[in-house]
Amino acid sequence: NAGVMQNPRHLVRRRGQEARLRCSPMKGHSHVYWYRQLPEEGLKFMVYLQKENIIDESGMPKERFSAEFPKEGPSILRIQQVVRGDSAAYFCASSNTGTGDGQPQHFGDGTRLSIL
Amino acid sequence: SQKIEQNSEALNIQEGKTATLTCNYTNYSPAYLQWYRQDPGRGPVFLLLIRENEKEKRKERLKVTFDTTLKQSLFHITASQPADSATYLCAPGTGRRALTFGSGTRLQVQP
Repeated sequence: NAGVMQNPRHLVRRRGQEARLRCSPMKGHSHVYWYRQLPEEGLKFMVYLQKENIIDESGMPKERFSAEFPKEGPSILRIQQVVRGDSAAYFCASSNTGTGDGQPQHFGDGTRLSIL
Repeated sequence: SQKIEQNSEALNIQEGKTATLTCNYTNYSPAYLQWYRQDPGRGPVFLLLIRENEKEKRKERLKVTFDTTLKQSLFHITASQPADSATYLCAPGTGRRALTFGSGTRLQVQP
């Protein structure tokens, strides 16, 4: 299965620790998107990246959150000094071109982050 | 500000009937609109894309309409089956920024 791979599927952290979420896009896809989903709520856009560039980070909190998509390797969403409110499911999606032409996004099955 | 509204209440229908889900948007001029299906514990899966110059799109038992005057899209599943039970998300896109998703409508098809 060459779909979008996210790991870990479940991540438990204590308050103040760092969380690193990884996303490997579908083969051939150079556009990656990160979303956050709280229980019974919709997907909230966080950040849109293309290889080595951040295209749109308007949905990402200014502090503690960062994202990267290096030339080689997976995209990483990093949350520093986690707090209870960071508990959520984080989804990654990829596409082979950007949002301009309506290309569908292919999603991974998410990382469920729990903060103790 | 841009707003997307989907019926937050679950839609319960009998097997074999047609399910109709609504997506309304305001302060938006999307160039296209996408529909996704999400099952519990899984990521969304793309279903259909309809562009602003298209009134209707079909794929097997699925049909989507797009009314730019009413600022509304309707998503129909004909001859519904229990396996169609899921949450359905709409996502209008302008092409100039990342997609924004509605909060979804949960569909429950009773056998």
